[in-house]
Amino acid sequence: EAGVAQSPRYKIIEKRQSVAFWCNPISGHATLYWYQQILGQGPKLLIQFQNNGVVDDSQLPKDRFSAERLKGVDSTLKIQPAKLEDSAVYLCASSLHQRGNEAFFGQGTRLTVV
Amino acid sequence: DQQVKQNSPSLSVQEGRISILNCDYTNSMFDYFLWYKKYPAEGPTFLISISSIKDKNEDGRFTVFLNKSAKHLSLHIVPSQPGDSAVYFCAAGGTSYGKLTFGQGTILTVHP
Repeated sequence: EAGVAQSPRYKIIEKRQSVAFWCNPISGHATLYWYQQILGQGPKLLIQFQNNGVVDDSQLPKDRFSAERLKGVDSTLKIQPAKLEDSAVYLCASSLHQRGNEAFFGQGTRLTVV
Repeated sequence: DQQVKQNSPSLSVQEGRISILNCDYTNSMFDYFLWYKKYPAEGPTFLISISSIKDKNEDGRFTVFLNKSAKHLSLHIVPSQPGDSAVYFCAAGGTSYGKLTFGQGTILTVHP
């Protein structure tokens, strides 16, 4: 079974530039998550999708971050414009159901904003 | 508002001994708890979970204990092996809550 795929693995951009990350979840997983992990901290949920609908985006900085999950499969997370404090690892995860079971993570995208 | 806390940033253990990692939570809506292991440059990997209807779950060398009255859970690794050296994250979610909330992580180092 293929795991969660993310790209790119690494990205370096200047502040005020824009960047996009892509995620392909495990086949058949209805729930998709984007997490932000700042160095030394645990992953923080940015947005959760159930199929192609948003379940929770309460911690997504909506003035600069956006995410979509077209057709309920792949997802894209965008930052525009980036700030220095956005430097982090962005993790995509998926799970079979919305509640009560484990999420499987991709390798993440390490973003450095300079 | 840190709803899931791992108060020990690091733990060092000798190979063959027991490793005990601790986690506290505050939200009583959590009824499902998980432990993830993370190696450098990789995403977190699911290790073991426990539902609030249980107080113990075992999988090989890994055992998770849940004390609901204290809102505390712990992960025991016996015996510890050098390959267990990683960052361990505690996470909590629920059948009525949805999203997983993670602790800050504990760096476990197992010395040969």
